[in-house]
Amino acid sequence: DIQMTQSPSTLSASVGDRVTITCRASQSISSWLAWYQQKPGKAPKLLIYKASNLESGVPSRFSGSGSGTEFTLTISSLQPDDFGTYYCQQYNNDWDTFGQGTKLEIK
Amino acid sequence: QVQLQESGPGLVKPSETLSLTCTVSGGSISSYYWNWIRQPAGKGLEWIGRFYSTYSTNYNPSLKSRVTMSVDTSKNQFSLKLSSVTAADTAVYYCARAPRSTAALAVWGRGTPVTVSS
Repeated sequence: DIQMTQSPSTLSASVGDRVTITCRASQSISSWLAWYQQKPGKAPKLLIYKASNLESGVPSRFSGSGSGTEFTLTISSLQPDDFGTYYCQQYNNDWDTFGQGTKLEIK
Repeated sequence: QVQLQESGPGLVKPSETLSLTCTVSGGSISSYYWNWIRQPAGKGLEWIGRFYSTYSTNYNPSLKSRVTMSVDTSKNQFSLKLSSVTAADTAVYYCARAPRSTAALAVWGRGTPVTVSS
């Protein structure tokens, strides 16, 4: 199976900060990677698909990059509504896997 | 706008079969990948599997022997059956739709909690 490792596990940042979350795959997944945001008690929300494509309706301060085994999600200027847990997901083959999540707290 | 709603019993006894339905409104059930994902309380997301057609399904190998997914196009519903459940299957279960072009989980249901207990 392809294992996805996110870092950091928790992150505390201030409004206006630039925030970066990293996701590493145990083997190459090309660009078959998505990023989701989940708030407590809610379903995850798709932010980025195919590593760098912004989902419709998602604010442009979110961006994704990377290919192969290393990927990043960047929030260019952190907003109060950006708190929550962020997950990466690989869907390169017949068995999707998620990262363990990064909990983002607003200072 | 398409909406997904999961439904099913909130309590299942150990060794029995968990059966959930995802009802799709505002859109067609055809030509998409239909997924089930679960999340134990306080933990991360686990992908259960994906259905495109009777001849195109993918399941998490750790659950494959116990999972069956199907679609009823006449009712616009997508279903999950998980047999021989244990307490480890207690979780919130989500259905999600993915376009074939991206395969990312673009539309999610709100989730339904399932507890396995006698």
